[in-house]
Amino acid sequence: AQTVTQSQPEMSVQEAETVTLSCTYDTSESDYYLFWYKQPPSRQMILVIRQEAYKQQNATENRFSVNFQKAAKSFSLKISDSQLGDAAMYFCAFPRWVSGTYKYIFGTGTRLKVLA
Amino acid sequence: DAGVTQSPTHLIKTRGQQVTLRCSPKSGHDTVSWYQQALGQGPQFIFQYYEEEERQRGNFPDRFSGHQFPNYSSELNVNALLLGDSALYLCASSLRTGLNQPQHFGDGTRLSIL
Repeated sequence: AQTVTQSQPEMSVQEAETVTLSCTYDTSESDYYLFWYKQPPSRQMILVIRQEAYKQQNATENRFSVNFQKAAKSFSLKISDSQLGDAAMYFCAFPRWVSGTYKYIFGTGTRLKVLA
Repeated sequence: DAGVTQSPTHLIKTRGQQVTLRCSPKSGHDTVSWYQQALGQGPQFIFQYYEEEERQRGNFPDRFSGHQFPNYSSELNVNALLLGDSALYLCASSLRTGLNQPQHFGDGTRLSIL
């Protein structure tokens, strides 16, 4: 079975500090993408960052970066210089190729609290 | 460029009733996926539509059905509602081709069953 696991139900970080959210996944595929989505209280899921498994370089989007370790099947999200607006639920997602289409598998999420 | 739009925003029903939720995909997208998100949980895949056909289905009973129209918009229908169907229902659109194309989500419909 292909699964996505987020082992941290909740994390807290001081404003301007750095925090890392963990995600592990299981797959037998060799080429795939991984995504981090953010869901603020407004409910809309917003793409934060994506990583292609074949790329050696970790993806970076401004204050957001990933630590992708393919062999370990680990895909963590690092948020630098945390801001109050970063407070949200964060979901790791894996698009699984099944019968000619992609089916997204989401983790259970990590609630990030940012302390002023 | 309009993103994914869902209607209604919030809906209250009673057990046994039927409900229809609607979704318009982001401009240029041809694939629509529906998810159920229970409180405090991650989204669970219900099904996906492309070319007006259901292409993939998650572990949901036949009470959950859908439709996609020629303009790519989609409906999610749930019959014989149960208390456990109370959740946020998310619609996501994407392009069928391209693993690197992320899904774009709407704001969701909050369904409450009394």
